Amino acid sequence: NAGVMQNPRHLVRRRGQEARLRCSPMKGHSHVYWYRQLPEEGLKFMVYLQKENIIDESGMPKERFSAEFPKEGPSILRIQQVVRGDSAAYFCASSPGFGQTFTDTQYFGPGTRLTVL
Amino acid sequence: KQEVTQIPAALSVPEGENLVLNCSFTDSAIYNLQWFRQDPGKGLTSLLLIQSSQREQTSGRLNASLDKSSGRSTLYIAASQPGDSATYLCAVEAAGNKLTFGGGTRVLVKP
Repeated sequence: NAGVMQNPRHLVRRRGQEARLRCSPMKGHSHVYWYRQLPEEGLKFMVYLQKENIIDESGMPKERFSAEFPKEGPSILRIQQVVRGDSAAYFCASSPGFGQTFTDTQYFGPGTRLTVL
Repeated sequence: KQEVTQIPAALSVPEGENLVLNCSFTDSAIYNLQWFRQDPGKGLTSLLLIQSSQREQTSGRLNASLDKSSGRSTLYIAASQPGDSATYLCAVEAAGNKLTFGGGTRVLVKP
């Protein structure tokens, strides 16, 4: 059973370009979470999605950032018109979504390291 | 708003010494607390998860305690080895499924 997969592992973009980060959850998992780790800072929650639904996006910047988790395919975190301050490691986690939080352990992917030139 | 603090921020010990890492959180209404390990440039590896109803969890040389009422958890690593060198993160999960992380403790175990 493969773990959470993220690609690309490293992404370089110039200011103003778009970045698309992909996350394939573990088999059987229907919940996906995105976290961001800025240089020298801790991980911060960004968004929580279930298939075709955004459950909580309270950690997402209001502009330029969007996330989706379609019925088929991976979850996508999209950053439009990237700026240098977007350079960070972006981690995805997935959980089975049994419906009871105390059993819903999150499993993390290896992360995508975004560098904005 | 939940805040998680880890002290110390960095720790250096000689091989063989026991490690004690501290984590505190401001809101005791949590579902669980989890300790992770992160190696430089890598992802997160889950070490131990303590449910809110539990007082401790053990795995090999690792032991984590949880005192929910006082908002504290401690991770003990016995007989440290150079391979234990990494950053250790604690995270709490509350209503809404999202994890709130501490800033981490960078550990260096010197041979």
